[in-house]
Amino acid sequence: GAVVSQHPSRVICKSGTSVKIECRSLDFQATTMFWYRQFPKQSLMLMATSNEGSKATYEQGVEKDKFLINHASLTLSTLTVTSAHPEDSSFYICSARDGLLGYTFGSGTRLTVV
Amino acid sequence: QKEVEQNSGPLSVPEGAIASLNCTYSDRGSQSFFWYRQYSGKSPELIMSIYSNGDKEDGRFTAQLNKASQYVSLLIRDSQPSDSATYLCAVNLDSSYKLIFGSGTRLLVRP
Repeated sequence: GAVVSQHPSRVICKSGTSVKIECRSLDFQATTMFWYRQFPKQSLMLMATSNEGSKATYEQGVEKDKFLINHASLTLSTLTVTSAHPEDSSFYICSARDGLLGYTFGSGTRLTVV
Repeated sequence: QKEVEQNSGPLSVPEGAIASLNCTYSDRGSQSFFWYRQYSGKSPELIMSIYSNGDKEDGRFTAQLNKASQYVSLLIRDSQPSDSATYLCAVNLDSSYKLIFGSGTRLLVRP
């Protein structure tokens, strides 16, 4: 079946630094990937849609200059949290469309900003 | 109005009972509907997808879709303690590939 690999699974960083999260589709090509954020006891909130070879589409209220998304190939999308602050601490999850309207999720990245 | 709504629960059922989870959505043009299960600290895992009105069964799980009433439900038969998790309803909005999630229903299956 379709597999999406997400790294790192956990990261702790200092306030003001940047963190990059990678999302790879291992056995299929993903022209579209999605980035979600989930705070404790809340649901997944869609942050942005990442399109291969073009700019990401951000949801309302998501700062595109803070959450940089790059989708340079059909198998890799990255999310960079720039100048991270404690309020950015969350569970970040990527998802990819694997054809036939299927969606496969990465294992998630737990970001803690101290 | 939220695009996808679920009762947050918790829904508590005894082992062996049927658990019924409900979800309503606001976009009448939605075409694809999904149920995911999420354990604490883990990524969602797909249980079922449904695209047309009626019932769809897969093992102990049955998804029901009623587009006229804009609701989708999930029945879990013979509930097991291992089914205890948060169940997320997700809807693929019309004209886009975006998957929008409800807030999730926490299910507790008592041994």
